[in-house]
This record gives sequence, C-alpha cells and structure tokens, in this order.
Amino acid sequence: DVKVTQSSRYLVKRTGEKVFLECVQDMDHENMFWYRQDPGLGLRLIYFSYDVKMKEKGDIPEGYSVSREKKERFSLILESASTNQTSMYLCASSLEMAGAGETQYFGPGTRLLVL
Amino acid sequence: QKEVEQNSGPLSVPEGAIASLNCTYSDRGSQSFFWYRQYSGKSPELIMSIYSNGDKEDGRFTAQLNKASQYVSLLIRDSQPSDSATYLCAQRGSNYKLTFGKGTLLTVNP
Repeated sequence: DVKVTQSSRYLVKRTGEKVFLECVQDMDHENMFWYRQDPGLGLRLIYFSYDVKMKEKGDIPEGYSVSREKKERFSLILESASTNQTSMYLCASSLEMAGAGETQYFGPGTRLLVL
Repeated sequence: QKEVEQNSGPLSVPEGAIASLNCTYSDRGSQSFFWYRQYSGKSPELIMSIYSNGDKEDGRFTAQLNKASQYVSLLIRDSQPSDSATYLCAQRGSNYKLTFGKGTLLTVNP
C-alpha cells in the first residue's frame, strides 16, 4: 500500500512566521504534489515535483516555495505566513505523470491556521 | 483556463437507490479522468479512473466517459449510508496536471 505521511495534522502559526510543511512517501514515487483545499474553491495545485531537485509551479504558487532534496520527501514552505494562507494542505504522490501509474495518492492533510 | 464542473449538489438519495454524479470538463486534450471520494475531515481516496469512452464498472461503481460531449459520470448502485461523502471529479490534461472539480456532497439516507 502506498503511504503518504504529513508532518502535522494541525498547525497554528502567526502572521509573518516561516512555515514548513513536510511530506514523505514510502513507495519510491517519482512525482509529488502540494495542494490546498478551501471551501467553495476545491483542490488547487500549488507546486509539484517530477524528480529530485526539480519543481514546477502549479496554479497558485504565489507566497509558497518548495524543496525536494530527497526522492521521498517534498516540503512546502510559506516564507511569511499570511491569514489568507489558512487552509487544508494536502500532499500527494504518483509513480508516473501519465499512464498506468499516474494515480495520485494523498496524505492525511495538514490543517493550517494563520493568526 | 481548464475547468472541471460538477453538479453542485448536495445530492440526497435513499439507501438502495442509484446515485448519479456528473462532471463536465473544458480541456479537449484531457487524457485521464478520476473519481475520488472524500469523507469529512479526511483526504481524497481514489475510487475509479477511466481513460476510454464508454463504461467502466467496479463493484457498485460505474464510471462513464463521453469525450465527444466532454462529460464523465459516476453511478453508485445500491447506495449505502457509508457512501455519504464528497465526490471529486478530476481530469489530467495535456500539461500532466490534475484539475479537480469542487466536489458534490452525497448523502445516503437510511
């Protein structure tokens, strides 16, 4: 079974803090993704990575950066947290970008509150 | 802007009925389509993927894809209260990104 874990289920931070969200997958997947999910807006892609040290912007990258130093780990960084970044953050991974292995498997999510 | 639209719901059906969830998409280059189920407070989990026109059945679930009309649907037969969740439709476009619909909340009443 694919397992995607996220470092925290709930996180409370203050405006202006630097925030790190960590994601680890144990299935040797090539691709990892960060989404945020907000009521009425659905799931939106922030960044994804198709290889170690490679990253691509998703649909809403502003205010975020990412790091992938090892294949199994993908970090999302909020350089200076703002209240509009309060959200549920979901990490996902997939074996391939297209084809039989393209299914994305999600972690449990981190609910971030920025005060 | 590539979009995925789902019937907004909420959808309420009695136990044992067929639940029908629908989704339309704008990207004609879309190659792959997915239905995820998300229970309240949990993360999405894959129910079905479909790549070719027609029907694909897996137990009580049937996904239907019509690329000419740009819609994909999910039928749940013999609906159970445990099927109560938000269902997310997603399409993988030619840019390899997944685009999700906003979801349809399904409630199955005992």
